[in-house]
Amino acid sequence: DQQVKQNSPSLSVQEGRISILNCDYTNSMFDYFLWYKKYPAEGPTFLISISSIKDKNEDGRFTVFLNKSAKHLSLHIVPSQPGDSAVYFCAASARGSRLTFGEGTQLTVNP
Amino acid sequence: GAGVSQSPSNKVTEKGKDVELRCDPISGHTALYWYRQSLGQGLEFLIYFQGNSAPDKSGLPSDRFSAERTGGSVSTLTIQRTQQEDSAVYLCASSLVLTERGYTFGSGTRLTVV
Repeated sequence: DQQVKQNSPSLSVQEGRISILNCDYTNSMFDYFLWYKKYPAEGPTFLISISSIKDKNEDGRFTVFLNKSAKHLSLHIVPSQPGDSAVYFCAASARGSRLTFGEGTQLTVNP
Repeated sequence: GAGVSQSPSNKVTEKGKDVELRCDPISGHTALYWYRQSLGQGLEFLIYFQGNSAPDKSGLPSDRFSAERTGGSVSTLTIQRTQQEDSAVYLCASSLVLTERGYTFGSGTRLTVV
Protein backbone atom coordinates (compact mmCIF):
# COMPACT_ATOMS: atom_id res chain seq x y z
CA ASP A 1 0.00 0.00 0.00
CA GLN A 2 1.95 2.98 -1.31
CA GLN A 3 0.47 5.90 0.61
CA VAL A 4 2.91 8.46 -0.81
CA LYS A 5 3.65 8.37 -4.51
CA GLN A 6 6.03 10.27 -6.71
CA ASN A 7 5.04 9.28 -10.21
CA SER A 8 7.98 10.81 -12.02
CA PRO A 9 11.19 8.88 -11.45
CA SER A 10 13.20 11.58 -13.19
CA LEU A 11 13.07 15.20 -14.28
CA SER A 12 15.53 17.20 -16.36
CA VAL A 13 15.53 21.01 -16.55
CA GLN A 14 17.82 23.75 -17.78
CA GLU A 15 19.73 25.90 -15.35
CA GLY A 16 17.77 29.02 -14.46
CA ARG A 17 14.39 27.48 -15.24
CA ILE A 18 11.78 26.24 -12.78
CA SER A 19 11.80 22.66 -11.49
CA ILE A 20 8.46 21.27 -10.34
CA LEU A 21 8.44 17.99 -8.44
CA ASN A 22 5.13 16.36 -7.65
CA CYS A 23 3.85 14.08 -4.92
CA ASP A 24 0.45 12.47 -4.30
CA TYR A 25 -0.83 10.84 -1.14
CA THR A 26 -3.80 8.71 -0.23
CA ASN A 27 -3.98 8.88 3.57
CA SER A 28 -6.28 11.75 4.60
CA MET A 29 -4.85 11.56 8.12
CA PHE A 30 -1.50 12.95 6.95
CA ASP A 31 -1.10 16.39 8.44
CA TYR A 32 2.56 17.16 7.91
CA PHE A 33 4.60 16.97 4.73
CA LEU A 34 8.31 17.26 4.09
CA TRP A 35 10.73 17.25 1.22
CA TYR A 36 14.18 15.72 1.51
CA LYS A 37 17.08 15.94 -0.88
CA LYS A 38 19.61 13.13 -1.32
CA TYR A 39 22.99 13.21 -2.99
CA PRO A 40 24.74 9.92 -3.90
CA ALA A 41 26.47 8.19 -0.98
CA GLU A 42 24.87 10.60 1.51
CA GLY A 43 21.80 10.37 3.67
CA PRO A 44 18.69 12.40 2.85
CA THR A 45 18.73 15.93 4.21
CA PHE A 46 15.72 18.02 5.15
CA LEU A 47 14.76 20.68 2.64
CA ILE A 48 11.37 22.19 3.43
CA SER A 49 8.11 21.24 5.13
CA ILE A 50 4.49 22.27 5.31
CA SER A 51 1.68 21.73 7.77
CA SER A 52 -1.78 20.79 6.56
CA ILE A 53 -3.14 24.06 7.90
CA LYS A 54 -1.20 25.90 5.22
CA ASP A 55 -1.25 25.71 1.45
CA LYS A 56 2.12 27.24 0.76
CA ASN A 57 5.52 27.52 2.41
CA GLU A 58 8.48 29.34 0.95
CA ASP A 59 12.18 29.24 1.77
CA GLY A 60 14.43 31.08 -0.63
CA ARG A 61 14.36 29.36 -4.02
CA PHE A 62 12.18 26.54 -2.67
CA THR A 63 8.39 26.65 -2.35
CA VAL A 64 6.10 23.83 -1.37
CA PHE A 65 2.43 23.90 -2.32
CA LEU A 66 -0.21 21.73 -0.71
CA ASN A 67 -3.60 20.97 -2.25
CA LYS A 68 -5.47 18.99 0.39
CA SER A 69 -8.58 18.41 -1.67
CA ALA A 70 -6.49 16.79 -4.39
CA LYS A 71 -4.13 15.16 -1.88
CA HIS A 72 -1.26 16.59 -3.84
CA LEU A 73 1.83 18.55 -3.05
CA SER A 74 4.55 19.99 -5.17
CA LEU A 75 8.01 21.43 -4.73
CA HIS A 76 9.04 24.36 -6.90
CA ILE A 77 12.66 25.30 -7.29
CA VAL A 78 13.32 28.58 -9.04
CA PRO A 79 15.76 29.33 -10.44
CA SER A 80 17.17 25.82 -10.72
CA GLN A 81 20.93 25.41 -10.30
CA PRO A 82 23.23 22.51 -11.27
CA GLY A 83 23.90 21.93 -7.55
CA ASP A 84 20.21 21.12 -7.13
CA SER A 85 20.75 17.89 -9.06
CA ALA A 86 19.82 15.16 -6.57
CA VAL A 87 17.07 12.73 -5.67
CA TYR A 88 14.12 14.46 -4.00
CA PHE A 89 11.88 12.52 -1.63
CA CYS A 90 8.45 13.56 -0.50
CA ALA A 91 7.43 12.39 2.99
CA ALA A 92 4.29 12.59 5.10
CA SER A 93 3.31 12.07 8.71
CA ALA A 94 0.00 11.59 10.50
CA ARG A 95 -0.20 13.24 13.92
CA GLY A 96 3.46 12.84 14.75
CA SER A 97 3.77 9.28 13.54
CA ARG A 98 6.78 8.05 11.60
CA LEU A 99 7.43 9.46 8.15
CA THR A 100 6.19 7.64 5.06
CA PHE A 101 8.33 8.35 2.01
CA GLY A 102 7.69 8.37 -1.70
CA GLU A 103 9.88 6.65 -4.25
CA GLY A 104 11.91 9.74 -5.05
CA THR A 105 12.46 11.81 -8.19
CA GLN A 106 15.91 12.24 -9.71
CA LEU A 107 16.30 15.89 -10.69
CA THR A 108 19.01 16.80 -13.18
CA VAL A 109 19.72 20.48 -13.80
CA ASN A 110 21.71 20.98 -16.96
CA PRO A 111 24.12 23.92 -17.20
CA GLY B 1 28.30 13.29 18.09
CA ALA B 2 27.27 16.04 15.75
CA GLY B 3 25.44 13.79 13.35
CA VAL B 4 24.08 10.30 12.90
CA SER B 5 26.94 7.89 12.34
CA GLN B 6 26.56 4.53 10.61
CA SER B 7 29.07 1.75 10.22
CA PRO B 8 30.28 0.16 8.12
CA SER B 9 29.69 2.47 5.18
CA ASN B 10 29.97 -0.49 2.81
CA LYS B 11 29.58 -4.20 3.41
CA VAL B 12 29.91 -7.03 0.95
CA THR B 13 28.85 -10.40 2.28
CA GLU B 14 28.25 -13.86 0.95
CA LYS B 15 24.74 -15.19 0.69
CA GLY B 16 23.80 -17.04 3.85
CA LYS B 17 26.10 -15.10 6.17
CA ASP B 18 24.87 -12.88 9.02
CA VAL B 19 25.58 -9.15 9.09
CA GLU B 20 25.34 -6.44 11.72
CA LEU B 21 24.82 -2.81 10.89
CA ARG B 22 25.43 -0.14 13.49
CA CYS B 23 23.87 3.24 14.08
CA ASP B 24 25.02 5.95 16.49
CA PRO B 25 22.27 8.54 16.72
CA ILE B 26 22.62 12.17 17.68
CA SER B 27 23.19 12.41 21.41
CA GLY B 28 19.94 12.91 23.26
CA HIS B 29 17.68 11.86 20.39
CA THR B 30 15.17 9.47 21.85
CA ALA B 31 13.65 8.29 18.58
CA LEU B 32 15.60 6.14 16.14
CA TYR B 33 14.47 4.79 12.80
CA TRP B 34 15.80 2.27 10.30
CA TYR B 35 14.88 2.56 6.63
CA ARG B 36 16.29 0.90 3.57
CA GLN B 37 16.51 1.91 -0.05
CA SER B 38 16.73 -0.84 -2.60
CA LEU B 39 17.91 -0.08 -6.14
CA GLY B 40 15.34 2.12 -7.86
CA GLN B 41 13.05 2.11 -4.87
CA GLY B 42 12.01 4.66 -2.27
CA LEU B 43 12.74 4.67 1.42
CA GLU B 44 11.17 1.62 3.01
CA PHE B 45 10.49 1.80 6.74
CA LEU B 46 11.88 -1.07 8.80
CA ILE B 47 11.65 -0.32 12.53
CA TYR B 48 11.23 2.54 15.00
CA PHE B 49 12.68 2.81 18.49
CA GLN B 50 11.55 5.11 21.25
CA GLY B 51 14.23 4.79 23.87
CA ASN B 52 15.16 1.12 23.99
CA SER B 53 11.77 -0.22 23.03
CA ALA B 54 10.45 -0.76 19.52
CA PRO B 55 6.78 0.18 19.37
CA ASP B 56 6.71 -0.26 15.62
CA LYS B 57 8.61 -3.04 13.91
CA SER B 58 6.01 -3.57 11.24
CA GLY B 59 8.43 -2.92 8.39
CA LEU B 60 10.88 -5.73 9.11
CA PRO B 61 10.61 -7.91 5.97
CA SER B 62 11.09 -11.29 7.64
CA ASP B 63 12.16 -12.97 10.84
CA ARG B 64 15.74 -12.91 9.52
CA PHE B 65 15.76 -9.22 10.42
CA SER B 66 16.07 -8.02 13.99
CA ALA B 67 17.20 -4.86 15.71
CA GLU B 68 18.02 -3.71 19.17
CA ARG B 69 18.89 -0.49 20.88
CA THR B 70 20.80 -0.23 24.11
CA GLY B 71 21.19 2.61 26.58
CA GLY B 72 18.78 4.69 24.53
CA SER B 73 21.62 5.26 22.12
CA VAL B 74 23.37 2.85 19.76
CA SER B 75 21.25 0.56 17.61
CA THR B 76 22.23 -2.58 15.75
CA LEU B 77 20.30 -4.04 12.83
CA THR B 78 21.06 -7.71 12.30
CA ILE B 79 20.26 -9.67 9.16
CA GLN B 80 20.64 -13.41 9.46
CA ARG B 81 21.24 -15.77 6.53
CA THR B 82 21.46 -12.89 4.07
CA GLN B 83 19.83 -13.20 0.67
CA GLN B 84 20.56 -11.29 -2.51
CA GLU B 85 17.29 -9.36 -2.17
CA ASP B 86 18.65 -7.91 1.07
CA SER B 87 21.11 -5.85 -0.98
CA ALA B 88 20.24 -2.20 -0.35
CA VAL B 89 21.35 0.96 1.39
CA TYR B 90 20.31 0.79 5.02
CA LEU B 91 19.64 4.21 6.49
CA CYS B 92 19.36 5.14 10.13
CA ALA B 93 17.75 8.36 11.35
CA SER B 94 17.15 9.93 14.72
CA SER B 95 15.04 12.71 16.17
CA LEU B 96 14.12 14.18 19.52
CA VAL B 97 10.48 14.34 18.61
CA LEU B 98 9.01 14.56 15.16
CA THR B 99 9.78 18.22 14.62
CA GLU B 100 9.01 20.31 11.62
CA ARG B 101 12.43 19.31 10.29
CA GLY B 102 11.71 15.61 10.48
CA TYR B 103 14.61 13.28 11.09
CA THR B 104 18.36 13.55 10.73
CA PHE B 105 19.71 10.73 8.62
CA GLY B 106 23.07 9.03 8.60
CA SER B 107 24.93 8.37 5.37
CA GLY B 108 23.81 4.77 5.30
CA THR B 109 25.39 1.36 4.95
CA ARG B 110 25.50 -0.06 1.45
CA LEU B 111 24.99 -3.81 1.79
CA THR B 112 25.79 -6.06 -1.13
CA VAL B 113 25.01 -9.76 -0.88
CA VAL B 114 26.89 -11.85 -3.44
